[in-house]
Amino acid sequence: GEDVEQSLFLSVREGDSSVINCTYTDSSSTYLYWYKQEPGAGLQLLTYIFSNMDMKQDQRLTVLLNKKDKHLSLRIADTQTGDSAIYFCAETGYSTLTFGKGTMLLVSP
Amino acid sequence: DGGITQSPKYLFRKEGQNVTLSCEQNLNHDAMYWYRQDPGQGLRLIYYSQIVNDFQKGDIAEGYSVSREKKESFPLTVTSAQKNPTAFYLCASSEQGGKLFFGSGTQLSVL
Repeated sequence: GEDVEQSLFLSVREGDSSVINCTYTDSSSTYLYWYKQEPGAGLQLLTYIFSNMDMKQDQRLTVLLNKKDKHLSLRIADTQTGDSAIYFCAETGYSTLTFGKGTMLLVSP
Repeated sequence: DGGITQSPKYLFRKEGQNVTLSCEQNLNHDAMYWYRQDPGQGLRLIYYSQIVNDFQKGDIAEGYSVSREKKESFPLTVTSAQKNPTAFYLCASSEQGGKLFFGSGTQLSVL
């Protein structure tokens, strides 16, 4: 069945790079997504990658996809305190997206 | 501005009471979804609708009901049969098979 796994917590210092990892199981997923959720808010689409790509860069964000290992990562360069949030990885599922449980990123000054 | 509007932001339910959460979108999306979010549990799909007047159960539909009479609206009713309704409820919409756009959520608590 479909399952998306993420580590639950990551702590970094302001200015460092953050790398959030995700593994997924459905090799037929056409798109993979990263969403950001701030406290008490909905999910905001950060970026996504098509399954035939290895990498996508968008300003401070870099997404890497390893289809062989079914591994997706999100790198945030020059992490700021405003990046503190929960980050969700998601894959295309049967009826909708299948989400991981989210990684809480804490950025300390 | 196009988007998804959920209301109210906070809602309280008394025991035995049904409550309805509102979700409206002006993105002209065909598909709409309801998710429940509990701390540390991620998002779980309650119901979804891919077209007007049609909807399907998600993974945790028991104790909930929905309707889809208009393309723009997908209200969720939390019935008295849902014994543990306290959670953050998120509505989303998408074009068929496309990326999801989320509302700002409703926090439901039990009095």
